[in-house]
Amino acid sequence: DQQVKQNSPSLSVQEGRISILNCDYTNSMFDYFLWYKKYPAEGPTFLISISSIKDKNEDGRFTVFLNKSAKHLSLHIVPSQPGDSAVYFCAASAGGGGADGLTFGKGTHLIIQP
Amino acid sequence: DAEITQSPRHKITETGRQVTLACHQTWNHNNMFWYRQDLGHGLRLIHYSYGVQDTNKGEVSDGYSVSRSNTEDLPLTLESAASSQTSVYFCASSEWWKGEQFFGPGTRLTVL
Repeated sequence: DQQVKQNSPSLSVQEGRISILNCDYTNSMFDYFLWYKKYPAEGPTFLISISSIKDKNEDGRFTVFLNKSAKHLSLHIVPSQPGDSAVYFCAASAGGGGADGLTFGKGTHLIIQP
Repeated sequence: DAEITQSPRHKITETGRQVTLACHQTWNHNNMFWYRQDLGHGLRLIHYSYGVQDTNKGEVSDGYSVSRSNTEDLPLTLESAASSQTSVYFCASSEWWKGEQFFGPGTRLTVL
């Protein structure tokens, strides 16, 4: 049973426009959420996180929104740049701030078109 | 600069052999983790450790073991490699109080 779901395997966005990546979760015990970016043949790189006590967190071009009632979070990238082309993973943890390990979605491959 | 390294980067082995994948971090992090990534599954947690002499099982721990004899290293051992263990393996570490995990570059393991 998949507890973190990224239902879009891929997403294509024009350079300069907004990229919106979505993530749904089923475990109501999750209280900390993260987004990771991954290039081929490299390890995932941390992008941004949000605690369940917040509904928005912003870092430069990246903003994460959390809707607890819908068990849904999204990552907005504005403006999208060619270097943003990568696989993006949504991850979650239940208590302990991630110390017990993270539960990952399957990833969304973001393609930024010139 | 602090970093997390994995070796080897690529490994081919035969069914039934014992294999050990190395993970070394210079962040001085207490928490260390092993994940595997397979097509259609994202990353799944194998084992994790909160510190020296501490190890815990994750979601997919069967057939794997870890040991933590110092802060810097968490080797992952496949006792008797199986074809189902063909995967890309990632090691990660984090501060005990922070959720953000720093990942190594990965080891691609093929079991024939």
